[in-house]
Amino acid sequence: AQKITQTQPGMFVQEKEAVTLDCTYDTSDQSYGLFWYKQPSSGEMIFLIYQGSYDEQNATEGRYSLNFQKARKSANLVISASQLGDSAMYFCAMRSNFGNEKLTFGTGTRLTIIP
Amino acid sequence: ETGVTQSPTHLIKTRGQQVTLRCSSQSGHNTVSWYQQALGQGPQFIFQYYREEENGRGNFPPRFSGLQFPNYSSELNVNALELDDSALYLCASSLVDRALEQYFGPGTRLTVT
Repeated sequence: AQKITQTQPGMFVQEKEAVTLDCTYDTSDQSYGLFWYKQPSSGEMIFLIYQGSYDEQNATEGRYSLNFQKARKSANLVISASQLGDSAMYFCAMRSNFGNEKLTFGTGTRLTIIP
Repeated sequence: ETGVTQSPTHLIKTRGQQVTLRCSSQSGHNTVSWYQQALGQGPQFIFQYYREEENGRGNFPPRFSGLQFPNYSSELNVNALELDDSALYLCASSLVDRALEQYFGPGTRLTVT
């Protein structure tokens, strides 16, 4: 079974500052993928970034980077230079590379950017 | 926008009724997954369809059923609605083995009274 834990229900960050959203995971699979999604109030899940379990380098996508520490089973999302539009729910998710492609999500972190 | 559409946007039903939710996949995508997101929670996997066959199911009772059509659009049917079925229902489409390109629709918010 897979499990994602997000321990920060909510965070407030000043505009233009960097923010780290925590995510730890648990799985017995050797090959898996880790994802971060953004969910604005409209409800749609927006893909942000992906990290494969065998990727040696941390993934980066523009202002988003994933701090992957495999031994600690953590996959924290770092947003640099936060913007007002970053205010949303953020979900960490994982998928096994075997079987179907279901995503297992955490409970999310509500990020609020303060002007 | 992802190209995945869902209908209706909102729906109110009474306990015991049946409901059908619809999803139109991104063009060319042959796999659709359905998720239930209760208020304040992360999405929970309901099931996935690939080429009109169920391809995995989460921990949901049989009264949750689905269909995928030849044009890859999909339906989620829920019978004997319960109050706890109130949630946002999300569908996501992708090409098999290319889950990085899994695109979510805007969801259908179901309220059961």
